[in-house]
Amino acid sequence: GAVVSQHPSWVICKSGTSVKIECRSLDFQATTMFWYRQFPKQSLMLMATSNEGSKATYEQGVEKDKFLINHASLTLSTLTVTSAHPEDSSFYICSARDRGGDSSYEQYFGPGTRLTVT
Amino acid sequence: GEDVEQSLFLSVREGDSSVINCTYTDSSSTYLYWYKQEPGAGLQLLTYIFSNMDMKQDQRLTVLLNKKDKHLSLRIADTQTGDSAIYFCAERDYKLSFGAGTTVTVRA
Repeated sequence: GAVVSQHPSWVICKSGTSVKIECRSLDFQATTMFWYRQFPKQSLMLMATSNEGSKATYEQGVEKDKFLINHASLTLSTLTVTSAHPEDSSFYICSARDRGGDSSYEQYFGPGTRLTVT
Repeated sequence: GEDVEQSLFLSVREGDSSVINCTYTDSSSTYLYWYKQEPGAGLQLLTYIFSNMDMKQDQRLTVLLNKKDKHLSLRIADTQTGDSAIYFCAERDYKLSFGAGTTVTVRA
C-alpha cells in the first residue's frame, strides 16, 4: 500500500525558534497534500491544503505567515512552524492524496510529528 | 460547514461485537470513512463507503450507511485487544472532515 513518511517523528525546540517538518509520499505521487493538527484527545483539524507547484490554501484561523507550507515536488511537502511558542505544541499529521488511479478517493496519512515547544 | 459527531467512548468485552456510531450533516458527502488511530501514531484507513451504498463488509468490519438519516456505523465482529484504539469517522465532499473520535477499550 501507499506509504507516507514524516520527519522528524518528534522534536523539542525552544520558544522563538523555527521548526521544519517534512512529509514524503514514498511510493506514489501526490499532487495534493494536507496538514493537520491534533490536540490531545481531540480530532484532526485541517490546517492547510497544498498542491504541488502552487501556494497552499489555509483554513480559516490558520496564520499563513506562521505555518509556512512548501510543496516543492510530487513527493515532498514541508511545514515550517516559525517563531514557535508553547501553544504551538501539538501533534502534526500530514496526508497525501494519490495522483490518480482507482485510489484517488483515498488519503494516506503519515505517522505524525510530535512538536514540543519549551 | 460540515459537522461530524461520534460518541466519545465505548467499552466492549473481548470476543463481543463493537458498534461505533457517527452522524454527519453534509448531504453532499461523496465518501465516508472509518480511520483507526493507535496511541502516538497517525491514522490508518480501515474502510470506506461510497455515499450511494447502504452496506459494506470487509472481513470483521461492517459499515452501514443510512443516507436519509445521515447516520454511519462501524461494526467490528469478534473484537480483540488489538482493536483498542481511537476510531474516527470522516466524510468527504472536497475535503475530509473528522469526528472527535471514539475511544474503544477492549476488556478481557
